[in-house]
Order: sequence, then structure tokens, then C-alpha cells
Amino acid sequence: DQQVKQNSPSLSVQEGRISILNCDYTNSMFDYFLWYKKYPAEGPTFLISISSIKDKNEDGRFTVFLNKSAKHLSLHIVPSQPGDSAVYFCAASTSGSARQLTFGSGTQLTVLP
Amino acid sequence: NAGVTQTPKFQVLKTGQSMTLQCAQDMNHEYMSWYRQDPGMGLRLIHYSVGAGITDQGEVPNGYNVSRSTTEDFPLRLLSAAPSQTSVYFCATRTGTRYTNYGYTFGSGTRLTVV
Repeated sequence: DQQVKQNSPSLSVQEGRISILNCDYTNSMFDYFLWYKKYPAEGPTFLISISSIKDKNEDGRFTVFLNKSAKHLSLHIVPSQPGDSAVYFCAASTSGSARQLTFGSGTQLTVLP
Repeated sequence: NAGVTQTPKFQVLKTGQSMTLQCAQDMNHEYMSWYRQDPGMGLRLIHYSVGAGITDQGEVPNGYNVSRSTTEDFPLRLLSAAPSQTSVYFCATRTGTRYTNYGYTFGSGTRLTVV
């Protein structure tokens, strides 16, 4: 049973428009959420994170929103650029000494020029 | 500064063969881990280590062995490869503590095919 779900395997967006990637989770113990970006033949790279004590975190063109009651988070990219085309993974972890990451299955974002 | 280095990048094995995937880091991070990425499954944790001499199982440990004799290296061993182990394998290190945000650094991956 996947505890972190990304229900959209792919998303296409026009350059300059907003990209919205969604992620749902089932484990209410998750208190830290991250987004990773992955290009082909490379490892995932950290993009942005949010703690459960916040509902929004911004970093330049990237904003992550967290809705704890709905167990839902989203990543907004504004404006989208062709270089943003990649697979985006949502990940979550719980408090404690282990703090292992649980990943979603990823969403392939394609930004069309 | 190489970060996390994985070798080889590609490997084809026959069923029943053994091999070791290498992972080396030059950041002096205590925590290292191995993930596998399969289509539609995201990344799943195989094994992890919180320091030299200490290893533990993740979500999908069966068929894999690990050891951690140094801080720098964390090899992943497949003793008898099976087609179900065809996957892309990522090694990752981690910084931070339970009281701060953790930061993960991933290697570029090893694509393994078992025929």
C-alpha cells in the first residue's frame, strides 16, 4: 500500500504557464515533505521542502503548499520553463531518529516551448 | 568534490550471477542508503547505514546484502541475481540530525538488467 501517491504519471504545460504537481499521503505521522527533480541518467536532486508546521514554502519560481487536513501537497512552478522538464518525486518522512524517506511514483513534467 | 559516486553505470547480469554495486562518498556523511527505482513505484529503500559497522534493512531488503567498513564506502551485493532485481539503483547520503532538516544527496545511479 503506497503511503505517498502521485496520481498523475505525466503533465504537459506550455512555457510561461503554471505547472501544478500533486501529491497525496495516507500516513498522518508524516511531518516533513520534500520534492525532488530527476533528469534522465541522473540521480534525484532536492528541489524544495516543507515542514508540517507550515502550509506554504517558496523558493524562487517554486512554491510548495501543504494541506494537512486533506493530506495533500502540491508543487507550483511559475513560470514554467523548458528546462523544468523532468520527473518530479514527492517524498515524506516522519519524526524520529530514522527519518527515512517514502517516495511517490513520480510525475513526468514536460514544458512545451 | 565528487559527492556520491556510483559504479558501474550500467550492468547486465545473467540469472544466478553475483555482483557488487559500488557507492563512494567524499562528504564524510555518516548516513548512506540504497534505493531502487522501478516504473510506477518511485524509489524504495533497500538498506541503509547510520555509520561504519552499522547497517539496517529498508523496505525491500530481500536478495541484497550490505556492509559498511568505512565511512566512505557502502557497497550493495547481489548474491544470486534474479530478473526481479532489474532496476535502477541509487545510492544516497544524508546530512542533518533529527532536530534539523535532513538533506539527501543522490548518486547518478546504476542501471542493472538481469536476463
